[in-house]
Formats: sequence, structure tokens, C-alpha cells
Amino acid sequence: SQTIHQWPATLVQPVGSPLSLECTVEGTSNPNLYWYRQAAGRGLQLLFYSVGIGQISSEVPQNLSASRPQDRQFILSSKKLLLSDSGFYLCAWSVGTGEKLFFGSGTQLSVL
Amino acid sequence: AQSVTQPDIHITVSEGASLELRCNYSYGATPYLFWYVQSPGQGLQLLLKYFSGDTLVQGIKGFEAEFKRSQSSFNLRKPSVHWSDAAEYFCAVGSGGGADGLTFGKGTHLIIQP
Repeated sequence: SQTIHQWPATLVQPVGSPLSLECTVEGTSNPNLYWYRQAAGRGLQLLFYSVGIGQISSEVPQNLSASRPQDRQFILSSKKLLLSDSGFYLCAWSVGTGEKLFFGSGTQLSVL
Repeated sequence: AQSVTQPDIHITVSEGASLELRCNYSYGATPYLFWYVQSPGQGLQLLLKYFSGDTLVQGIKGFEAEFKRSQSSFNLRKPSVHWSDAAEYFCAVGSGGGADGLTFGKGTHLIIQP
């Protein structure tokens, strides 16, 4: 069966520090991968999606970047975190036309 | 551009009472519609989805939703809520034709009172 792993579960980082959140999927090949963010009191916002290795699309201009070095690995990064980067980050995957998303358990990022 | 509106930020329901969470969408073609639930400290779990066919769809945990094209709505219902249903509920719409993800509403926080 397919599983998605996302870590760490919680992270507290100072402003200006770098960020690396990792997500891996098991049990499927060539998944579509996504990074979402949920800011406090707001809904989910799509940040990045990827249809294949090295293929990244960004939905919104921001301080973050994403990379897909392997088929089932998706990384969310920042060189210098801002206070506004705080939020709950969710990795997700889908196969085919992407109708159904499967989500990781999320990372709560607090930038202080 | 597609959009999703969940007009209720918070809803309080007594345990055992019926529930309806509202969702309105804006989309140019036939939408793919979803309801997700997020329990505290956890990721998102799919409750149900609508792609085509019968407009009343059944999901997990006793939830159902009805697609009404004329009203651009996809409201979530449950005849009798349990305390464990307390969570954040998200409605989402997607095109189903590509890998560009889903557009989510801002969520409705469901509170269950004894």
C-alpha cells in the first residue's frame, strides 16, 4: 500500500535561518507531488506541485522553493525564513489526473 | 479561476444532532469536488468526493454530500454527530484534468457540545 512520510512534525526556527522539509512517498511510481500551507485561521494554499523529477511549478510568489531530486521525494526549502512563513505545511501526492490527494501528517513550523 | 467558499468559519452542534456544512464553488466546467477533515495535530483525510453520476455521494464516518449544480453547492451532511467529529472541515474543487492540485476553502471549524 502507499504511504507518505513527512518530517519533522514540528519545527521552531529563528528568523533568517534556513529551512528544509522533506516528504517521501512509498508504494507508488511517478506520483504528482504537492506542498500546501495552512496559515493560522486560513484555508489551504497550494505552494508547489511537481509532475516529475526536476519539474516544479509554483503557484504563488514567495520566500520558499521546492525541489524533487528523486521520483518519490519532494523537498520544501528556504534560505532565510520570515515570520510570515509560520504555518502548517502539508505534503500530498496523487496519481494520474490528480483527482484525489493523499496527505502527509504535516509539519507545524513556527518562525520566531 | 476556480474558487471555493465555506461561509461558516465556526459551527457548534450538540452531540446527536444533525449537521450541515456549506460549500459553494466557482468553476467554469464540471468540477471535481471533495470534502476533507483535519483532526487536531493530524493531516488531512478524504471524507468523500464527487466526479460524476449520482449527485448524492456517501463517504466515510457516516458523512454524505449532495452536488447541486444549479446552486453551485456541495454541502456536507451527517444525520447524527459524535464528539469525535469535532475537527476542521475543508471543501475543495479540482479540474481533474491535470496535476495542478486542488483549490481549498478556508475551512469550517466544527465544535461538538455535550
